[in-house]
Amino acid sequence: AQTVTQSQPEMSVQEAETVTLSCTYDTSESDYYLFWYKQPPSRQMILVIRQEAYKQQNATENRFSVNFQKAAKSFSLKISDSQLGDAAMYFCAYRTINQGGKLIFGQGTELSVKP
Amino acid sequence: DTAVSQTPKYLVTQMGNDKSIKCEQNLGHDTMYWYKQDSKKFLKIMFSYNNKELIINETVPNRFSPKSPDKAHLNLHINSLELGDSAVYFCASSQGTGVFHGYTFGSGTRLTVV
Repeated sequence: AQTVTQSQPEMSVQEAETVTLSCTYDTSESDYYLFWYKQPPSRQMILVIRQEAYKQQNATENRFSVNFQKAAKSFSLKISDSQLGDAAMYFCAYRTINQGGKLIFGQGTELSVKP
Repeated sequence: DTAVSQTPKYLVTQMGNDKSIKCEQNLGHDTMYWYKQDSKKFLKIMFSYNNKELIINETVPNRFSPKSPDKAHLNLHINSLELGDSAVYFCASSQGTGVFHGYTFGSGTRLTVV
């Protein structure tokens, strides 16, 4: 069974600085998808960025980028030029291609941004 | 126009009651899901339907019964509510079961059992 681990329950960053959130996963599959979701206090789940496992190039979305290391089964999220609105719970997620395409989440990392 | 809408957003009820949460998506997606987020914010899948067919049924008490009248709707009925059922329940949809696009989530239903 696949598992996703986020080892940092809480992180803090100064406004305008850069922060990296860690995520590791375990799987025997060779093809899958990885995602980062953001959950602000409004509790809405917002897709931040996504990565296909067969692509070696790291995904980038504006200030958000990932460092995908397939052999190490690592998928970290880097937030550049942090803004107050980035404060939220961040979830790393693994999506199987089989098993009904279910999304398996990590425990989450609570990010606070200091002004 | 909300893509995935859940009703109600908040639900407070007594132990032993039966309640339903409704979910509708207007994205034309084929697959819908129910997730439970516990008090520690951990998200776990409960059910999934693909074109009205149940394809995922995790280890959930049989007091929980999903129903999909058509591919745009997925409702969750809970019988004999218990204190431990208190959580946030999220509905989500996706274009298929093996696609890259991820899920679109509803805004969640906070269920409180007293």
